[in-house]
Amino acid sequence: SQQGEEDPQALSIQEGENATMNCSYKTSINNLQWYRQNSGRGLVHLILIRSNEREKHSGRLRVTLDTSKKSSSLLITASRAADTASYFCATVWVQGAQKLVFGQGTRLTINP
Amino acid sequence: DAGITQSPRHKVTETGTPVTLRCHQTENHRYMYWYRQDPGHGLRLIHYSYGVKDTDKGEVSDGYSVSRSKTEDFLLTLESATSSQTSVYFCAIRDYTSTDTQYFGPGTRLTVL
Repeated sequence: SQQGEEDPQALSIQEGENATMNCSYKTSINNLQWYRQNSGRGLVHLILIRSNEREKHSGRLRVTLDTSKKSSSLLITASRAADTASYFCATVWVQGAQKLVFGQGTRLTINP
Repeated sequence: DAGITQSPRHKVTETGTPVTLRCHQTENHRYMYWYRQDPGHGLRLIHYSYGVKDTDKGEVSDGYSVSRSKTEDFLLTLESATSSQTSVYFCAIRDYTSTDTQYFGPGTRLTVL
C-alpha cells in the first residue's frame, strides 16, 4: 500500500505559532497532496507537490518533500483559529486514473 | 466546490435494505470517485469512473456497486446495507485539465441500523 501516515495524530498550539505536520509513505509516488477538512465538512485541496519538487509555498503554507526518506511536511505559519481542522496527506497513484491514498490525518487545534 | 453535489446528505436505513447515493457534477469532468471515511481512518477509495459506463474497483469495493450512465452523475449502490457500511461517503472529481487535483463534495452521512 502507498498509504500516507501523518504525525502527530493531534496537535494543539497557540494562535500565532507555527504548526508542522509530517507525512510518511511507503512506495514511489507521482505526487503528494495535502487536504484540509473542517469538522463535518468535505475535504479542501491545499497544495500539490510533484515528485521532482522539494519545496512549495502557498500563502502561509510550506510543503516539503523528501523522496529519499519517503516523507513530506506541511508547515502552517502564523496560525489562526480558522486553521483548526484535520489535515490529510494523500499519495497519488497514477495508472490511467489518479487514485488518492489517504493517511489518518492530523487533528490541529489552534487555541486563541 | 467544483460544482459537486451529493444526495441525500443524511440517511438512516435498516440492515438488508438497498441504498443508492448520488453524486452530481456540473463541469463535465471525466473522472469521478467514491470514498468512505470512518473514525480513525483517512478516506478510502470504493470505486471510481473514468468515463460514461467505465468504472473500476478501489480499495474497499466489496458490498458496493456503481453506475455512470451520464457524465454528470455517478451513483453508488449498497445492494443490501450492513452496519459496517455506516460511514460518511464522499464523492470527488478529478480536474486534470488544470491542477490535476481532486475536488470533493460535501459528503453523505449514512447510518445503517
